[in-house]
Amino acid sequence: QQPVQSPQAVILREGEDAVINCSSSKALYSVHWYRQKHGEAPVFLMILLKGGEQKGHEKISASFNEKKQQSSLYLTASQLSYSGTYFCGTLERDFGNEKLTFGTGTRLTIIP
Amino acid sequence: DTGVSQDPRHKITKRGQNVTFRCDPISEHNRLYWYRQTLGQGPEFLTYFQNEAQLEKSRLLSDRFSAERPKGSFSTLEIQRTEQGDSAMYLCASSRWGQDPTNEKLFFGSGTQLSVL
Repeated sequence: QQPVQSPQAVILREGEDAVINCSSSKALYSVHWYRQKHGEAPVFLMILLKGGEQKGHEKISASFNEKKQQSSLYLTASQLSYSGTYFCGTLERDFGNEKLTFGTGTRLTIIP
Repeated sequence: DTGVSQDPRHKITKRGQNVTFRCDPISEHNRLYWYRQTLGQGPEFLTYFQNEAQLEKSRLLSDRFSAERPKGSFSTLEIQRTEQGDSAMYLCASSRWGQDPTNEKLFFGSGTQLSVL
C-alpha cells in the first residue's frame, strides 16, 4: 500500500520553512526521501533507518518515528533550488519484500 | 559513477505493437528496479532484480510485461500488445544492496517516455 504524503502541494516564499509528512500503514525498516524536478529523474536526498533517527543535510533534515510509521522532511530557509516534487519511499524489508514503495508526492514551489 | 542510462529516451508506438526498453545500471550495483510513473504521481513499482534473479513482480502487472537481466548486468523491459493505458514514463534505478543499509539509495536513470497511440 502506497504511503500517504501531506500536504499535496505547498507554495513558499524564498526563506520560509516547510514540513512534508509521510505516513504508512505498514511497519517500516527505513524511509528514503527523493526530490524530482520537472522532466528529470528523482534524486536521492537521505535515508532514515528505524530507531527514531534524525538526519540533516545543510538546511534539509528529516525524522523517522518507527512506532507511528511516520517520517517528516524539514526544509528551512527555503531556496529557489528547493522547488520540485518530493517523494518518500518506504521499505518494509520482510523476506521477499524488499522493494521501495513511493508515496503520493508533495509539490513544492518556491517563489522569490 | 557513469550513472544509470536508459534507451530510448522516447518511444511512440501504435496500440498492439511490442516495445522493448533497455537499462544499463551503475556497474557495481547488484540491485536493479523498474518503476512506472504517470504525470503527477509517484513512481509505481513494477519489478526488481538481485543480480540476475528477478525477486518480485508487481501483482498489478499484467502478463504483457516481462523483464530480464541476463548475467546480472543490463536489463530489458518488454511490453507486448501495448495499450493506451501503458503510456507513461518508465524509470530504471539501481542500488548497492546488502552491505550498508544507510547507503542503499536508488540512482535513477532519465527514463523512457512511452506514448501509445
